[in-house]
Amino acid sequence: GQQLNQSPQSMFIQEGEDVSMNCTSSSIFNTWLWYKQDPGEGPVLLIALYKAGELTSNGRLTAQFGITRKDSFLNISASIPSDVGIYFCAGRMGGKLTFGQGTILTVHP
Amino acid sequence: GAVVSQHPSWVICKSGTSVKIECRSLDFQATTMFWYRQFPKQSLMLMATSNEGSKATYEQGVEKDKFLINHASLTLSTLTVTSAHPEDSSFYICSATTGPLLNTEAFFGQGTRLTVV
Repeated sequence: GQQLNQSPQSMFIQEGEDVSMNCTSSSIFNTWLWYKQDPGEGPVLLIALYKAGELTSNGRLTAQFGITRKDSFLNISASIPSDVGIYFCAGRMGGKLTFGQGTILTVHP
Repeated sequence: GAVVSQHPSWVICKSGTSVKIECRSLDFQATTMFWYRQFPKQSLMLMATSNEGSKATYEQGVEKDKFLINHASLTLSTLTVTSAHPEDSSFYICSATTGPLLNTEAFFGQGTRLTVV
């Protein structure tokens, strides 16, 4: 199936640093979602974006739905060790979710 | 958020046997459930969409006779991997939606690690 282009694939950062990751697609989506997945667990929803141009925050997380509806970014400010995990973007059109390849985040204390 | 429970969390089975994985929405009725497969360090790939009371819709390349899906009630969908082989070893994850699909989130189960030996 179709996949979104998510970058970067991995990040190694120091605790306290800010993080930014993004997803792009050749297709438009009605909804953009950002998930975090810990090893051996299912994805957990972080932020949902429903309107083009929408900027939404959830604590230290901020995400935006691109105006073209073909992209989205996620920022994490002041990273902490528990931010470690795999972050996935997902675009939804109709009932189906299409996932990005994931960004593996490692935070060094 | 809504809670989706998947069972078992992990299972080891012998090649040639069948394995059933359950996905339950604990505090809401899920008209639609989705089944995904995830290989190590890879993304989630949609296998099929399961609607209560009707046949599942499978994605291209997914064998419907091998991956049997039953969505008998609004809170339960099952995935049965029939005649499992080592190449079926993977992480299987379900998700469920709470209502009309446009502005509702999909909540995921904790996943099932299947190892076929």
